[in-house]
Amino acid sequence: DTEVTQTPKHLVMGMTNKKSLKCEQHMGHRAMYWYKQKAKKPPELMFVYSYEKLSINESVPSRFSPECPNSSLLNLHLHALQPEDSALYLCASSQDYSSNQPQHFGDGTRLSIL
Amino acid sequence: AQSVAQPEDQVNVAEGNPLTVKCTYSVSGNPYLFWYVQYPNRGLQFLLKYITGDNLVKGSYGFEAEFNKSQTSFHLKKPSALVSDSALYFCAVRDNYGQNFVFGPGTRLSVLP
Repeated sequence: DTEVTQTPKHLVMGMTNKKSLKCEQHMGHRAMYWYKQKAKKPPELMFVYSYEKLSINESVPSRFSPECPNSSLLNLHLHALQPEDSALYLCASSQDYSSNQPQHFGDGTRLSIL
Repeated sequence: AQSVAQPEDQVNVAEGNPLTVKCTYSVSGNPYLFWYVQYPNRGLQFLLKYITGDNLVKGSYGFEAEFNKSQTSFHLKKPSALVSDSALYFCAVRDNYGQNFVFGPGTRLSVLP
């Protein structure tokens, strides 16, 4: 069982839909991350939140909008996505951003854009 | 800039034999090194890390890794492979300046019965 919980596990949406991915951790971690992973490829960093503030945006298109309502929750709001956005979206957390501690990953949301 | 190489896309090993998954890295400062495993339809699971100290690091599920500073390598090893070890393995590095994790391209390990 993972300590980072992501919902939903699967999501199919049209290019005009609006949906949100959710991530929750209760390990007291103060850094949270969104990654995008294509099949058989390494995860690609999208966003980093440190102490609930957005600290890194890796030039992600504005159709992806992150939100960190509190230290345990991380959302990714999706709007007007493209077929190439179909991927596994992984959330991760770590003790804090600059530490040498590992990141802990959820099992991801598999997103399909029709 | 940081980088990680995993020179083998695929490693095949017979069950019961020792396995090695290779990783080399490049960082500006001192490296923090990590191994993760990913099973189908799952997220990445942390196996072990090297921060400082003993060059041989022991981790979960009987895996270990050896840090070699002169060769800038951090190879993952296990004395006796299990079929259930078949998965995708990622090496990752960050430096002590707190830069982002950089993941290697991944190595698919197949353990044959």
